[in-house]
Amino acid sequence: DIQMTQSPSSVSASVGDRVTITCRASQDIKFWLAWYQQKPGQAPKLLIYGAYTLRNGVPSRFSGSGSGTEFTLTISSLQPEDFATYYCQQANSFLALTFGGGTKVEIK
Amino acid sequence: EVQLVESGGTLVQPGKSLRLSCAASNFTFDDYAMHWVRQAPGKGLEWVSGITWSSGTIAYADSVKGRFTISRDNAKNSLFLHMTSLRVEDTALYFCARGVYGSGRHFDSWGQGTLVTVSS
Repeated sequence: DIQMTQSPSSVSASVGDRVTITCRASQDIKFWLAWYQQKPGQAPKLLIYGAYTLRNGVPSRFSGSGSGTEFTLTISSLQPEDFATYYCQQANSFLALTFGGGTKVEIK
Repeated sequence: EVQLVESGGTLVQPGKSLRLSCAASNFTFDDYAMHWVRQAPGKGLEWVSGITWSSGTIAYADSVKGRFTISRDNAKNSLFLHMTSLRVEDTALYFCARGVYGSGRHFDSWGQGTLVTVSS
């Protein structure tokens, strides 16, 4: 199965900061990558799919980039509602889907 | 608004079986693949199983293969997960999730989850 390695596992940041989270795949997954946001006590929410396609309704301060084995989620100007845990998910094959370990974005 | 409501989670002893259900509404259920994703207490997300709209393709994570069975009833807009030989490490909040239209490989709508606790 394809392994997904997210870094960092946590980051402390202030409102207005630019935050970057990286996800590495153990093999080429082309553009088959999504990013999710999860807040405590809530279900995850899809933010980005196809590596860089922003889901309707997601603020434009979120962006995704990358292809192959290295991907990035960037929050251009962190807002109070963005403090949460973020997960990447590879979808190279329907038969074996996997998530990264998560990155917790905390208030500095 | 898409609604997914899970049920069936409870406290169960190791080695026993359990069946989870997910009731879907406000979308054309048989147009979409569906999945189960779980989250152990304080841990990350783990994809468990997925099923295409026609049940033509079914997939499982290695950790549950041979023990869990996913199924769906399109006439009743329902998704199921039959879990057998449960282990302590299966303890988790189990989410029902809709696959994105087309590939079905990402998850665009989620339920609130049902808690399964495996303990003696």
